[in-house]
Amino acid sequence: DIQMTQSPHSLSASLGETVSIECLASEGISNYLAWYQQKPGKSPQLLIYYASSLQDGVPSRFSGSGSGTQYSLKISNMQPEDEGVYYCQQGYKYPRTFGGGTKLELK
Amino acid sequence: EVQLQQSGAELVKPGASVKLSCKTSGYTFSNYYMSWLKQMPGQNIEWIGNIYGGNGGTGYNQKFKGKATLTVDKSSSTAYMDLSSLTSEDSAVYFCARVDYGGPGFDYWGQGVMVTVSS
Repeated sequence: DIQMTQSPHSLSASLGETVSIECLASEGISNYLAWYQQKPGKSPQLLIYYASSLQDGVPSRFSGSGSGTQYSLKISNMQPEDEGVYYCQQGYKYPRTFGGGTKLELK
Repeated sequence: EVQLQQSGAELVKPGASVKLSCKTSGYTFSNYYMSWLKQMPGQNIEWIGNIYGGNGGTGYNQKFKGKATLTVDKSSSTAYMDLSSLTSEDSAVYFCARVDYGGPGFDYWGQGVMVTVSS
């Protein structure tokens, strides 16, 4: 199985700050990478697909980049509603696998 | 509007089975795959398997073979997951999620259902 390793495990950001979350795949996944946001008691919401494509309705302050085995999610201009846990997920091989999550809090 | 509506919370005894449902609306059910995923409290998300709405073809995570069985009812646009021989390790929230057409991710999710295995 492809292992997805996220860092950091948690972080806090001030209003308006820019933050980045990293995701490392155990092998190349050819940009078959998705990012999700999950809030407490809710289901995950797709933010980014194919590593850098923004899902409809997702604010443009979210962006994704990367290639090969290394990917990142950037959140510009941190807002209160951006608090939550963020997951990366590879869609290159079965079984689909997720990173361990990064908890983002407002400082 | 695409919607995935899951059945309610379940409390089941060890050794028993449970069948979860995911009723869909707002899109052509037979044109998409549906996945099921597991999330234990405070834990990572695990992919259980997927099923094609058109013909019921399935693919499973080896870890969940023998534990989960996926089926569909095209007439009601509903996906089902049977979980068998339940233990405390099966206590979790289970999600159904539509597989993004041609994409790597899951674009619509059900609200999740909590399954608690306890005597």
